[in-house]
Amino acid sequence: DAKTTQPTSMDCAEGRAANLPCNHSTISGNEYVYWYRQIHSQGPQYIIHGLKNNETNEMASLIITEDRKSSTLILPHATLRDTAVYYCIVRVGQGAQKLVFGQGTRLTINP
Amino acid sequence: DSGVTQTPKHLITATGQRVTLRCSPRSGDLSVYWYQQSLDQGLQFLIQYYNGEERAKGNILERFSAQQFPDLHSELNLSSLELGDSALYFCASSVGQGRVSPLHFGNGTRLTVT
Repeated sequence: DAKTTQPTSMDCAEGRAANLPCNHSTISGNEYVYWYRQIHSQGPQYIIHGLKNNETNEMASLIITEDRKSSTLILPHATLRDTAVYYCIVRVGQGAQKLVFGQGTRLTINP
Repeated sequence: DSGVTQTPKHLITATGQRVTLRCSPRSGDLSVYWYQQSLDQGLQFLIQYYNGEERAKGNILERFSAQQFPDLHSELNLSSLELGDSALYFCASSVGQGRVSPLHFGNGTRLTVT
């Protein structure tokens, strides 16, 4: 699986959009970008995934650059409950492949 | 609620003992994964099963073993426990082969070895 690079920590004001970057310059054509978050010691929570098109769901938007070497997770209106560690993971699409977690970005939403 | 159920939530035991952690996957999911998270190691993949068969192995110690039963629930057995085995153990499930399917995690079992 391709390696990802994320900032160690970020801050965002409540109500503003939180934009979390991720670099994955060695990504292969069949690898998807997945985002998870972990709030305190709860189980990791799936947020969104994509291959090359931008994706949006009820939680977030995922913007993938045209060359697919980086992506941004956008939480449009951050709340205090979005404070968590966010993991960007690259994963082969087909088959039941494991996820390999890095260190992630610790996002703190400030009131 | 992810739909993945893990029991027990907490477990306290002594060194040298053996414990069993249980996981019930989401309805319809055929793959089960086990992860360990300790304070200094982050989330580490241990092992994966698909429809009862072992499919991938990570850094799982020989003292640890797992299986997936015909009803698709899974158990992780930890034996000869050491202080360093204290950690959160997460189970995840996904639909499985041939599809792009996210993993969905349970809320874990917190194991404390004293």
